[in-house]
Amino acid sequence: NAGVTQTPKFRILKIGQSMTLQCAQDMNHNYMYWYRQDPGMGLKLIYYSVGAGITDKGEVPNGYNVSRSTTEDFPLRLELAAPSQTSVYFCASSYDGAGNTIYFGEGSWLTVV
Amino acid sequence: EDKVVQSPLSLVVHEGDTVTLNCSYEVTNFRSLLWYKQEKKAPTFLFMLTSSGIEKKSGRLSSILDKKELFSILNITATQTGDSAVYLCAVYGGATNKLIFGTGTLLAVQP
Repeated sequence: NAGVTQTPKFRILKIGQSMTLQCAQDMNHNYMYWYRQDPGMGLKLIYYSVGAGITDKGEVPNGYNVSRSTTEDFPLRLELAAPSQTSVYFCASSYDGAGNTIYFGEGSWLTVV
Repeated sequence: EDKVVQSPLSLVVHEGDTVTLNCSYEVTNFRSLLWYKQEKKAPTFLFMLTSSGIEKKSGRLSSILDKKELFSILNITATQTGDSAVYLCAVYGGATNKLIFGTGTLLAVQP
């Protein structure tokens, strides 16, 4: 019962460094999402994908890139990390894009110093 | 701009109290409203509401939607310390047909 798996769980980056957050799901879901959650705030959508080879911007895409070469994987890349990207990142997937079937990963805590 | 607003931002109660959490929204192309509970990790699904006036209930938790007045409430009766969490409201819809989250209500239940 792996569900949605995110790595790493914790990471500290220096300003200007780059990194990739990995996300994989084994439920054969078409829809995948990346959210960020700042302290005391709700989740904001960064990027989403409705299927392999298709990605689109969410509310807060600046400073990030994604790719979806397979149904299972949806990595999120941070280029030139900035302190404003310090946040908790959640990957999620769903079968039909409806909210009640969305499955979240455990989260990745990222600090940029 | 689509938005979801929750109130209060935080709440401290004692075990056994009843609490009501509020969620109002202005979202085009409304499809459903969802409530999640978040305890330090990923949100877990509580309810999905699509029709006005029909109460959803699960144990001590219940929720109802008013599509005319554009709000929903989440009630928790006989609160327990295990109810301490952030409760998130989200609306599925909007210009991009995705989940739009509120900022959440932080509930702390004291023994």
